[in-house]
Amino acid sequence: QVLLQESGPGLVKPSDTLSLTCTVSGGFTNNAYYWGWIRQPPGKGPEWLGSMVHTGNTYYNPSLRSRVSISIDKSKNQVSLQLTSVTAADTAVYYCAKMMLRWYFDLWGRGTLVTVSS
Amino acid sequence: QSALTQPPSASGSPGQSVTIPCTGTSSDVGGYEYVSWYQVRPGKAPKLIIFDVNKRPSGVPDRFSGSKSGNTASLTVSGLQSEDEADYYCLSYTNNINLVFGGGTKVTVL
Repeated sequence: QVLLQESGPGLVKPSDTLSLTCTVSGGFTNNAYYWGWIRQPPGKGPEWLGSMVHTGNTYYNPSLRSRVSISIDKSKNQVSLQLTSVTAADTAVYYCAKMMLRWYFDLWGRGTLVTVSS
Repeated sequence: QSALTQPPSASGSPGQSVTIPCTGTSSDVGGYEYVSWYQVRPGKAPKLIIFDVNKRPSGVPDRFSGSKSGNTASLTVSGLQSEDEADYYCLSYTNNINLVFGGGTKVTVL
């Protein structure tokens, strides 16, 4: 059974870089898996940040493409997210999720709250 | 890309049905068969309940069904049960390799 667990700082200062890690247990070795990051600001709907497919290709939300980066470390079974130049508007619960080829997420982590504040 | 439109709330008594619409455009919901639905309960990981407009993952009760007409997708929960009380979000693929969510609908079982 594949499980996902997000981790990282819960507080980030404005203009800094937000860095989160998603540790995958129970099945990361399947190279056909795709991965994605989604966030949900307080009181709002979710927002897709981007996805990485097993070939290494990445796809990002056009509105965030200049600030977001997703990478995979297979040796550590981890999927990472970096979001640069954060502002208070980036305060949200951040989720990692396993993505299927037809653009849906069949398994999610519980999410981690990141607050951007000085 | 604007979020897909969902009503903020929906409700029904146990045993009744509730239908949640998710309205987009021809560039997203209307243009692709890549609509999925997620159930979110407080403190829990979101759960996939419908993918490819109307397919249910293994383990999801057949009380949950999905459909699409034009630019509007819909999730129907039949035979409402107390455990169905949650937030529900739709998601669609859009032009130019983008994904857009709905604003969410809070379902209350009366």
